[in-house]
Amino acid sequence: QVQLLQSEAEVKKPGASVKVSCKASGYSFTSYPIHWVRQAPGQRLEWMGWLNADNGNTEYSQNFQGRITINRDASASTAYMELTSLRSEDTAVYYCARALHYFDLWGRGTLVTVSS
Amino acid sequence: EIVLTQSPATLSLSPGERATLSCRASQSLSSYLAWYQHKPGQAPRLLISDASNRATGVPARFSGSGSGTDFTLTISSLEPEDFAVYYCQQRSTWPSTFGQGTKLEIK
Repeated sequence: QVQLLQSEAEVKKPGASVKVSCKASGYSFTSYPIHWVRQAPGQRLEWMGWLNADNGNTEYSQNFQGRITINRDASASTAYMELTSLRSEDTAVYYCARALHYFDLWGRGTLVTVSS
Repeated sequence: EIVLTQSPATLSLSPGERATLSCRASQSLSSYLAWYQHKPGQAPRLLISDASNRATGVPARFSGSGSGTDFTLTISSLEPEDFAVYYCQQRSTWPSTFGQGTKLEIK
């Protein structure tokens, strides 16, 4: 079955870091870029960055520069997104999505709650 | 950054009715626009790419139209499973951006 399986929900304190995983199955992981998109409560979807799953190259939204790292373990068909220096505004559902041009396959999302 | 504005915010209709959802861009997208369906607790689903191309497996009752700055998603006859939130997304200009969504609810 073609799917992206994401890690479970996390609760973090302000200033901490979170790492969310996204495991691909049912297709060739290295053939498609993986993107990360988040949705904070009451907000629109926000693109965060993307990973070339073949060579590991990345590009990030300026909104997250310096705080985000996306990488992968190609042998495990898994992509990771780490966000550091968390603040309450980072409380959101984080999605990974496969995309050549549009996001044609999404994970179900990982809720990250930032609270003291 | 391109801003996408969807209208209406909420659309209340009954099964069997026709739904028309709008997405307006702050600058021209050519045809580089997609539509997604999102139900609670599920992964979003790509419905339409490049303004009017139905994705694999998407029923024919879903259609997209438009170019430039004005786009429309039409559901010709609503089925119970169509009640969800719908988002538009542009890939014309980096970074890709999304509309704020239209919630399609049962009347």
